[in-house]
Amino acid sequence: KAGVTQTPRYLIKTRGQQVTLSCSPISGHRSVSWYQQTPGQGLQFLFEYFSETQRNKGNFPGRFSGRQFSNSRSEMNVSTLELGDSALYLCASSLEGGTTYEQYFGPGTRLTVT
Amino acid sequence: GQSLEQPSEVTAVEGAIVQINCTYQTSGFYGLSWYQQHDGGAPTFLSYNALDGLEETGRFSSFLSRSDSYGYLLLQELQMKDSASYFCAVLAYSGAGSYQLTFGKGTKLSVIP
Repeated sequence: KAGVTQTPRYLIKTRGQQVTLSCSPISGHRSVSWYQQTPGQGLQFLFEYFSETQRNKGNFPGRFSGRQFSNSRSEMNVSTLELGDSALYLCASSLEGGTTYEQYFGPGTRLTVT
Repeated sequence: GQSLEQPSEVTAVEGAIVQINCTYQTSGFYGLSWYQQHDGGAPTFLSYNALDGLEETGRFSSFLSRSDSYGYLLLQELQMKDSASYFCAVLAYSGAGSYQLTFGKGTKLSVIP
């Protein structure tokens, strides 16, 4: 079974621009979660989608948004990029979400904002 | 809100045993997970505890005390390849029938010869 894939792997953007990141979960997985990882801050939860509905949302500004398609693929969008948005963005999938404690992570998208 | 505390760095000798502690404060606690992340890699699941006690998986064991809001990951017979960051993560009820996994900031383990 193919793992979680994320595209692109690396991205450089300028402050004020917007960016869209893509995540394809493991086949059969219906839950996709997004995390932001910065040095020393661990993984900070952005949001979770299940069956095309946002089920949970972390404490990030409205510039961060996402969506999920009927095939469970997910995208996240960051508008009006700021320097502080530079981070590794990880997506993780799981079968049902809910009480699933085991998530499968993709390799991440390294976003650099200049 | 939720908070998790774990040491930022730990150093241990190859072949030895190391324990990484995690304390948490959360409402709606359901269970505690542990993940490993090598530099440049993706986090991978190691273990999960929903009930008090010790869970063993090969060289790795994880412990949970719900009454103390405390858990730890125990790594035995340390190998150089165990050098990585280890994250504890709390699974907690977030309302409307859903649960959320919240990660700690991670413990960087360095295994030295």
